[in-house]
Amino acid sequence: GQQLNQSPQSMFIQEGEDVSMNCTSSSIFNTWLWYKQEPGEGPVLLIALYKAGELTSNGRLTAQFGITRKDSFLNISASIPSDVGIYFCAGQTNAGGTSYGKLTFGQGTILTVHP
Amino acid sequence: EPEVTQTPSHQVTQMGQEVILRCVPISNHLYFYWYRQILGQKVEFLVSFYNNEISEKSEIFDDQFSVERPDGSNFTLKIRSTKLEDSAMYFCASSERVAGGRLEQYFGPGTRLTVT
Repeated sequence: GQQLNQSPQSMFIQEGEDVSMNCTSSSIFNTWLWYKQEPGEGPVLLIALYKAGELTSNGRLTAQFGITRKDSFLNISASIPSDVGIYFCAGQTNAGGTSYGKLTFGQGTILTVHP
Repeated sequence: EPEVTQTPSHQVTQMGQEVILRCVPISNHLYFYWYRQILGQKVEFLVSFYNNEISEKSEIFDDQFSVERPDGSNFTLKIRSTKLEDSAMYFCASSERVAGGRLEQYFGPGTRLTVT
């Protein structure tokens, strides 16, 4: 099946630092999404990317869809304590044919921000 | 802002018992999903549901699992005879189809299932 490799597994940073994490896949995806999960809650959608090479921002978050459609990165600038959580990348094939948008998730990056 | 809701938030059951996990997707969404997350692991796809039928399922979703949309608002996941390894967080998600076949999935808060 499709596998996503997400790195790093965890990051410990000081408040104000920038953060970068990425995902790679052996398969092509039509859409990449980045989610954040806090303890005891469901994943919350941060950014969705639809086109190869696309660079999208959401506040202090920036994500890019790789040209090969097999990778994506997420950057967080000027981190703050509330950025703490687990960040997941997810790849999706578009609806159509036999696919109805199943998400394949990476293993997650645990982010800890020290004040 | 509309959101996906799930009940109960925590379900404890004995091995071999049947459980039903309930979800209310976002009201104008047409695609529904169940995922699970074993403690400390990644989120795994179980099943997708569209037009009142299963559209795709994973190898995890065996004969012990079933899904149903009993009315216009609820979406349920039933596990017929629970096993210890079914203990996990179960997330419901829903999405609407937008241009280009894009499906942005929004997740509920999850139900923690504990099988003893």
